[in-house]
Order: sequence, then structure tokens, then C-alpha cells
Amino acid sequence: DGGITQSPKYLFRKEGQNVTLSCEQNLNHDAMYWYRQDPGQGLRLIYYSQIVNDFQKGDIAEGYSVSREKKESFPLTVTSAQKNPTAFYLCASSMQDRVFYEQYFGPGTRLTVT
Amino acid sequence: AQSVAQPEDQVNVAEGNPLTVKCTYSVSGNPYLFWYVQYPNRGLQFLLKYITGDNLVKGSYGFEAEFNKSQTSFHLKKPSALVSDSALYFCAVRVPLGGATNKLIFGTGTLLAVQP
Repeated sequence: DGGITQSPKYLFRKEGQNVTLSCEQNLNHDAMYWYRQDPGQGLRLIYYSQIVNDFQKGDIAEGYSVSREKKESFPLTVTSAQKNPTAFYLCASSMQDRVFYEQYFGPGTRLTVT
Repeated sequence: AQSVAQPEDQVNVAEGNPLTVKCTYSVSGNPYLFWYVQYPNRGLQFLLKYITGDNLVKGSYGFEAEFNKSQTSFHLKKPSALVSDSALYFCAVRVPLGGATNKLIFGTGTLLAVQP
């Protein structure tokens, strides 16, 4: 899982509550990403950030928010507006390089909302 | 539309036999292709990538992948499977978003089961 940490590993919340997932990297990567993984659907991009204080919506951003105040940190908030928040969430980072682009992933956070 | 397809949900192979996990892609321009592996309740681990050059790419844990431009495929292979190779495998393709910005599009994953 490289130099990316995600916490907590498991998270349980009641419906209607916002929850924030932590992602920290010590790889000195400029770019960071959040994905959602559901069985049989692969990974879908929620948000990404290429540089501090800047981030862009991915393919399924509705109901989520992010911030990028530090290069090392890219927290994801799952809001009550997200209709189906129960999923496995993965954070990743990469160099801003055309060739050395492979993304490195954290261990993931499994969120269960009831 | 740019996409990646993994046509098999599951591949079963006996230990010691060769294995192949299939991937096909559809992108505009030159493809940058990747394979990742995921063990249960873990993040994805990078296995190998194709950027340019030799069509046979060697990666971690004895895995290799063959790029075939005419068939738009990037199949993952290993000459002799181990029980410990049992995991979920993802193929991905890089999609430029402008400037230095890129994203990866992932296939739906193939579960590899290696029987002793």
C-alpha cells in the first residue's frame, strides 16, 4: 500500500450523517484521487486534485466533497445527499508525469451506512 | 468513448499451470495501459504498465502482459500460477484530461482463483 494511509479501516454511520474519510501520503506526489469501489463495477472516480487548493469533480461527484489544503492530505466527506454511500473507498496518488503515471493506492476505508 | 473491458468475471486455474487474464481497450491516441492486483479488503497494488516499446512487458511477482495493437488487447499472463496469486485483477487505461492532468479508467475486475 506504499506511503498512503487511510483511516479508519471500517466506518459505520447512521443515515443522514456526514462522515469524513482521511487520506494522507508521504510520497511527495502532486496528484491525489478518490475512488469508490462496488462489487462488479470496478473503481469509479469521485474527485481528483492536481495541486494544493485545487480539485475537480470526477465521474460520480454528487453527494461528496473534498478539500486539498496540504499536499499530503486529501480528505473526502460523504454527505447526507449521497443516496447510496455504503461502499469501499480508495484513495490514490501519482506523480504529475506523462510516463511515470502509475497511481499508488491506500488500503481503503469500508463505509457502512444504516 | 474510452473504455476498458475485462470479459471474464472469474478465471480458474490449477497451481503450476499458465494463466491468462484478458483485457481489451478502446482509447483515442496511443494507449497507456496498466494492471493492478487487489487482495481482499486491501488497496490496489501496481503490477505493470505499457507505455511504449516492447509489446511484452514484465512486472512484479512473475507477471507479464502482452500488448497487441491490432487486437486492442493487453492480456495479463504468468507461466506458472501459485495459490497465492488468487486475487482480483484490474486492467486500466490512462485518459488525458488536458495538460499534465490524467485519470485512469478501470475495468470491472477479474477474480483469479488458483486451485492447489
